[in-house]
Amino acid sequence: QKEVEQDPGPLSVPEGAIVSLNCTYSNSAFQYFMWYRQYSRKGPELLMYTYSSGNKEDGRFTAQVDKSSKYISLFIRDSQPSDSATYLCAMGGDTGGFKTIFGAGTRLFVKA
Amino acid sequence: NAGVTQTPKFQVLKTGQSMTLQCAQDMNHNSMYWYRQDPGMGLRLIYYSASEGTTDKGEVPNGYNVSRLNKREFSLRLESAAPSQTSVYFCASSEVAGTQYFGPGTRLTVL
Repeated sequence: QKEVEQDPGPLSVPEGAIVSLNCTYSNSAFQYFMWYRQYSRKGPELLMYTYSSGNKEDGRFTAQVDKSSKYISLFIRDSQPSDSATYLCAMGGDTGGFKTIFGAGTRLFVKA
Repeated sequence: NAGVTQTPKFQVLKTGQSMTLQCAQDMNHNSMYWYRQDPGMGLRLIYYSASEGTTDKGEVPNGYNVSRLNKREFSLRLESAAPSQTSVYFCASSEVAGTQYFGPGTRLTVL
């Protein structure tokens, strides 16, 4: 079993839809949780960072962490064609130093 | 402020050839990383350097070596390339755990 599981998609939605992206994990030591966005043939860029449980909102993006269920989510409101990309969840724990485990990524297509 | 830069952008090697991938960052970060990205596998850590003068193995270190030349530069060497090393390689740097900044990647094909 992988430490981090993420549905690869692809996920196709119409412009303006609310998008929900999710990851599950098995290591209860994980303390920080991230979402990265990766456009085709580019490097990943950090989108959201959350430490421990709870919600974090940044514009149209909301990240949720539920440590009791070992489940994290990214919501995108009013999705735009420019949101079309691969979204990678990532997480790490204090005991692992700066090592981070990445999910395989979910490909998202937002249709105009 | 260029962030993280990587050279070359593309490379084709024959089996058994060697090469070095270069990475530099101008954000004064202490930690640097090398990942490979393969379809369906996500990003897998090859080696990392928590600070200048230290390097540690990641998840998939076999067939690779690294050098932390100074605080800015972290190179990845393939001594004898194999087709299984065909991949996209990303370098990253960070100061805070989890918040990594990635370079544009090197697309490597080994024939």
